[in-house]
Amino acid sequence: GAGVSQSPSNKVTEKGKDVELRCDPISGHTALYWYRQSLGQGLEFLIYFQGNSAPDKSGLPSDRFSAERTGGSVSTLTIQRTQQEDSAVYLCASSPPPIGETQYFGPGTRLLVL
Amino acid sequence: GQQLNQSPQSMFIQEGEDVSMNCTSSSIFNTWLWYKQDPGEGPVLLIALYKAGELTSNGRLTAQFGITRKDSFLNISASIPSDVGIYFCAGSSGAGSYQLTFGKGTKLSVIP
Repeated sequence: GAGVSQSPSNKVTEKGKDVELRCDPISGHTALYWYRQSLGQGLEFLIYFQGNSAPDKSGLPSDRFSAERTGGSVSTLTIQRTQQEDSAVYLCASSPPPIGETQYFGPGTRLLVL
Repeated sequence: GQQLNQSPQSMFIQEGEDVSMNCTSSSIFNTWLWYKQDPGEGPVLLIALYKAGELTSNGRLTAQFGITRKDSFLNISASIPSDVGIYFCAGSSGAGSYQLTFGKGTKLSVIP
């Protein structure tokens, strides 16, 4: 497939557990973004990766959230000690160079924290 | 921070009717984007606007970049059942900026 893929599609976890969400961007796209979408809300920016530059982490809501991008491709968003308010859809997007080009979204991971 | 006000929040329309929704911003944007999100899917880009006053069409969709650069609207003509979904506006404030600010969405329901 040529699109952005995310896994898992759905994740149910217990409060206090850690979760890892994965994103495979479109091949050749240098920029990768993570967003959070709560029920009935717009998209909330979390973190941005561009090539080998230091990521923009300004949107991460707390230090329980972290993300990595290995080899300039796949990215993992990790939420430690999950809380019920972390329940949301986590969307990943990628875009080709140059900076500012259109973002293409994956289908998202639906996270439910019980 | 920047905020986008998108309206209406939801709409119920008859198939065949035209639809209009809009976004307003408290600050200037240099790019306006309109996305559609189907249930269980990520947003899909419909139209991108890069110049104040620009009017762009994509099939039955038409969007305009407001002359003040603080607003944009999206029109859908002759709605069909597959138009159902949530429509989001998004804005970018700087040339080459990657940061998008999203509206909260307009949920469209089409009655056959």
